[in-house]
Amino acid sequence: KNQVEQSPQSLIILEGKNCTLQCNYTVSPFSNLRWYKQDTGRGPVSLTIMTFSENTKSNGRYTATLDADTKQSSLHITASQLSDSASYICVVSENQGNNRLAFGKGNQVVVIP
Amino acid sequence: KAGVTQTPRYLIKTRGQQVTLSCSPISGHRSVSWYQQTPGQGLQFLFEYFSETQRNKGNFPGRFSGRQFSNSRSEMNVSTLELGDSALYLCASSWRSSEHMNTEAFFGQGTRLTVV
Repeated sequence: KNQVEQSPQSLIILEGKNCTLQCNYTVSPFSNLRWYKQDTGRGPVSLTIMTFSENTKSNGRYTATLDADTKQSSLHITASQLSDSASYICVVSENQGNNRLAFGKGNQVVVIP
Repeated sequence: KAGVTQTPRYLIKTRGQQVTLSCSPISGHRSVSWYQQTPGQGLQFLFEYFSETQRNKGNFPGRFSGRQFSNSRSEMNVSTLELGDSALYLCASSWRSSEHMNTEAFFGQGTRLTVV
């Protein structure tokens, strides 16, 4: 079973609307959680990095939240734009000395006009 | 500052051949990690090199190997290619090893390998 599960797998939203992506993980002990945005045909770009002690972090219209007790994170996109169409990948780092990364399979977001 | 550069961008190989992919990290970065990305499996960690030494390794067969040079550039080699090796291969660089918490990694655009 994958240690990082993301939902929904894919999402279509209207331009200007908000959306929330979910990430549930079982990685333990946990070091940090990252959200990446990957445009089609390009490499992932970091949006946020949160340690276990952080609850929320923002990067422009992107806001990530973290509940380390329930092992859940969400990425909220405000006032979506066409350029937000991408895959959003949740990555959790183990705290086992090697900080091995566990990847979700991504949330595919399509923003339509 | 130039980003992470991967070459080539696209590659087509036949089964049984071998392939070498290249990654030039951001200037000053000493850590390079390699990942395989497929639609079904998502991103999977291959290995990480730091200062020419392999630091971490994922669960891939020995056909997948890599190395890092003194200028931090890294190469990944896949021997005896199989159809299932078709994927986007990404490398990411960071200024220190992933053993350090919150080390941000910067990805290249990837090499799209197709095995026919």
